Amino acid sequence: EVQLLESGGGFIQWGDSLRLSCAASGFTFSNYVMSWVRQAPGKGLEWVSAIGRNGVTTYYADSVKGRFTISRDNFKGTVDLQMDSLRVEDTAIYYCAKAQDLDYWGQGTLVNVSS
Amino acid sequence: DVVMTQSPLSLSVTLGQPASISCRSSQSLAYSDGNTYLNWFHQRPGQSPRRLIYKVSNRDSGVPDRFSGSGSGTDFTLKISRVEAEDVGVYYCMQGTHWPRTFGQGTKVEIK
Repeated sequence: EVQLLESGGGFIQWGDSLRLSCAASGFTFSNYVMSWVRQAPGKGLEWVSAIGRNGVTTYYADSVKGRFTISRDNFKGTVDLQMDSLRVEDTAIYYCAKAQDLDYWGQGTLVNVSS
Repeated sequence: DVVMTQSPLSLSVTLGQPASISCRSSQSLAYSDGNTYLNWFHQRPGQSPRRLIYKVSNRDSGVPDRFSGSGSGTDFTLKISRVEAEDVGVYYCMQGTHWPRTFGQGTKVEIK
């Protein structure tokens, strides 16, 4: 059974940094692109970032480019999202999702950025 | 970036009646490998999204056959043949052809 478990969310101040992590199990992790998607309170889904199977190729939404960094550890089966220079508008539930077409999702972790 | 536009943004449907959601993209979603990467997701209140349909018309495992997807190029549709109570929530289309990936605004489905 595919499982994705996000962690690392919390309440932080504008300008601070936070690192999210997603632990994957139930599939051959190194065979898949991994993605992050977020959802601001009461809003729709926003694709954030994705990372290729070998961790070299990365993709970002314009809204986070230059502030967020995605990485992965194929030995541990984890994908991380380092978030720097956080803004109030980054407040959202952050979901980890398997593959570039998001066939499985985690339960999400809440990031709340206050001014 | 590719803009995904859904309509309607809300839908009130009688149980057992059909429902249809449109999704249009600002660029063709046909990829050089011959596939068209258009996905549909369903999110119930308080839950994570779940993928229903991938590559326009392929249902994910466990998705009832009352759900169907169709379309090509820039114009796509999700249809529910007979709406059931468990179908309430928000439906999103997402394009998987171009980077960055982009979602539609979402269509909220409720029971009349």
